[in-house]
Amino acid sequence: AQKVTQAQTEISVVEKEDVTLDCVYETRDTTYYLFWYKQPPSGELVFLIRRNSFDEQNEISGRYSWNFQKSTSSFNFTITASQVVDSAVYFCALSEGRIKAAGNKLTFGGGTRVLVKP
Amino acid sequence: GAGVSQTPSNKVTEKGKYVELRCDPISGHTALYWYRQSLGQGPEFLIYFQGTGAADDSGLPNDRFFAVRPEGSVSTLKIQRTERGDSAVYLCASSLQGQSYNEQFFGPGTRLTVL
Repeated sequence: AQKVTQAQTEISVVEKEDVTLDCVYETRDTTYYLFWYKQPPSGELVFLIRRNSFDEQNEISGRYSWNFQKSTSSFNFTITASQVVDSAVYFCALSEGRIKAAGNKLTFGGGTRVLVKP
Repeated sequence: GAGVSQTPSNKVTEKGKYVELRCDPISGHTALYWYRQSLGQGPEFLIYFQGTGAADDSGLPNDRFFAVRPEGSVSTLKIQRTERGDSAVYLCASSLQGQSYNEQFFGPGTRLTVL
């Protein structure tokens, strides 16, 4: 069975500080995909990034960066120079990679609420 | 283009009543997923449709929950004899196909409150 753990339930920072969100996953598959979603106060989940299990290169997109380490089963997310608009709940999710007729449901972590204060 | 839409946005019902929640996926997306999100938790998978058929319903909590997608587009989640524990936000997502690398696009959700 697959499992995603986000140990931090809430992080509070002051604007312009960096914030790192931890994500640890468990899966028996050798092929899998990891995702990060943002859920702002409006409630709609917004896709941020997808990473497959064979690509351990770190990725940077603007102020966002992701650190994928298979050795520790972690896929951490850093927001650099945080802004008030970054305030939201962030979810890490996992889908198994085997091609299945039953599709690929996402297994989500519990989420980390980020509060950026001005 | 239009994203995933869900109606109603809010539904308040009494214990024991029947409710229907509707999801209209992105046009052309063959895969459709239902998730349930309780307060302070991450979404939990309920059911997956590929086309008209329910390919995976392993997440449905019990036989009071049922979902259909008769024409391979709009889906309806049906809950019979609602209980207070059913109160949650019900999220619908669609993707181009059901592959693991396909990004799932989520709707705004339906907030269900059972009194």
